[in-house]
Amino acid sequence: QQQVKQSPQSLIVQKGGISIINCAYENTAFDYFPWYQQFPGKGPALLIAIRPDVSEKKEGRFTISFNKSAKQFSLHIMDSQPGDSATYFCAAKRTSYDKVIFGPGTSLSVIP
Amino acid sequence: GAVVSQHPSWVICKSGTSVKIECRSLDFQATTMFWYRQFPKQSLMLMATSNEGSKATYEQGVEKDKFLINHASLTLSTLTVTSAHPEDSSFYICSATRYSGRARSQETQYFGPGTRLLVL
Repeated sequence: QQQVKQSPQSLIVQKGGISIINCAYENTAFDYFPWYQQFPGKGPALLIAIRPDVSEKKEGRFTISFNKSAKQFSLHIMDSQPGDSATYFCAAKRTSYDKVIFGPGTSLSVIP
Repeated sequence: GAVVSQHPSWVICKSGTSVKIECRSLDFQATTMFWYRQFPKQSLMLMATSNEGSKATYEQGVEKDKFLINHASLTLSTLTVTSAHPEDSSFYICSATRYSGRARSQETQYFGPGTRLLVL
C-alpha cells in the first residue's frame, strides 16, 4: 500500500531526445506527487510536483503526466541534455505531517 | 529558495565512536524534519521523523538507541550514530518541510546536501 514503483531502473537517451520515467502507486490517499533529481554525492532536489486534481503540469522542459484512475504518473524530459544525467526519484505522500515515500529511482544518462 | 544545510558534509570515524550530524533549516522554521539513509545506487530509506519538542518517530527496523535524534529547536535537528560500526557507513540525508500559503496549505520538503559517514 505504501510502495511506489518506478521504471525503468536505468535509461540512456541521446541528447535532444525525450526521457520518460514512469511511476505507479497503490495508496489512493496519496495527494502529492513530487519528482526529485539527485546528482552523485548530493542530496535530492525537488524538480516538479503535481496534485491529483490536474492531469498534467509543465515547467520548462519537464512535464508530469498524471492518471488518477490508473494510479500512474510519469516524468517527461524534453530536449534532454547531458546536464540532465542524474538519478530521478518519483515520490508520493499524503496530507501534512506525513512522510515522503520514494520510488527506487531511475539512473538517466544523456549521451552527446 | 528554502535551504537546508547539514554538517559535517563527510566524516570518518573509528568503530565504536559516536558521530553527530546536524541538520538546519536556514530560512524557515521546521516543526518536522526527516532523516534518511541512502546506500550506493539505492533509494532513500526513511529512518525517522523528527518532531520539534517531542520524541522522534522511528521506522520499523531502525534502532532508536543506535540512532539518537534530537529536535531541540525549530531550525535544528541532530542525528547521533552511537557506537558506530562499519555497517553504519552510509549517506545520511535530512529534510525539512516548509509550509506556506493560506492556512499553511502549501508544503514543500527540502533536502539537505547529505553527510557521508565512513566508519573504519
